[in-house]
Amino acid sequence: GQNIDQPTEMTATEGAIVQINCTYQTSGFNGLFWYQQHAGEAPTFLSYNVLDGLEEKGRFSSFLSRTKGYSYLLLKELQMKDSASYLCVPMDSNYQLIWGAGTKLIIKP
Amino acid sequence: NAGVTQTPKFQVLKTGQSMTLQCAQDMNHEYMSWYRQDPGMGLRLIHYSVGAGITDQGEVPNGYNVSRSTTEDFPLRLLSAAPSQTSVYFCASSYPQDSGGEAFFGQGTRLTVV
Repeated sequence: GQNIDQPTEMTATEGAIVQINCTYQTSGFNGLFWYQQHAGEAPTFLSYNVLDGLEEKGRFSSFLSRTKGYSYLLLKELQMKDSASYLCVPMDSNYQLIWGAGTKLIIKP
Repeated sequence: NAGVTQTPKFQVLKTGQSMTLQCAQDMNHEYMSWYRQDPGMGLRLIHYSVGAGITDQGEVPNGYNVSRSTTEDFPLRLLSAAPSQTSVYFCASSYPQDSGGEAFFGQGTRLTVV
């Protein structure tokens, strides 16, 4: 079957750094997305990795290891507005997105 | 640039009623999809379309119909509403999935079936 494993909830302090880990098992693999979803809102795109390595985009970075079925999202200089759910979304061999429940990140002052 | 426009934002239905959720995008995206999201859960794919005139079933298609007569519009019809269809519905559009294109979402529809 297809499976995504992320922590259900994480807490971090404003101004700090947090790493959200994701392991996945899919039928084939065609890349991995990270989305942010604030409570009561739609998901918004953060990053896309298709090759191994680190992609940096401002305060957010995403890493992928295809052989390990592993990805992480790194958030730096945390702000209160970063309180949201973060969704690790791999794409399988049929280019279908596999959505899990994500990680709820709580930022404390 | 409007992006993805989804209406209505809120809706209450009685069991057995039918309704259509509207979705329109102005980005000329070929790929459009409908998801539902239940509390504390991930998005589940209902139906999707890879272009005008082409639709296919997702993970949870029962009780829903779609059509894609134009590139811009992708309405979702609930045939006979049931309490199990109480959920938040999202429409999304993107360039073809094999291009790695990001999905753009509508604002969501909170549907309650009583």
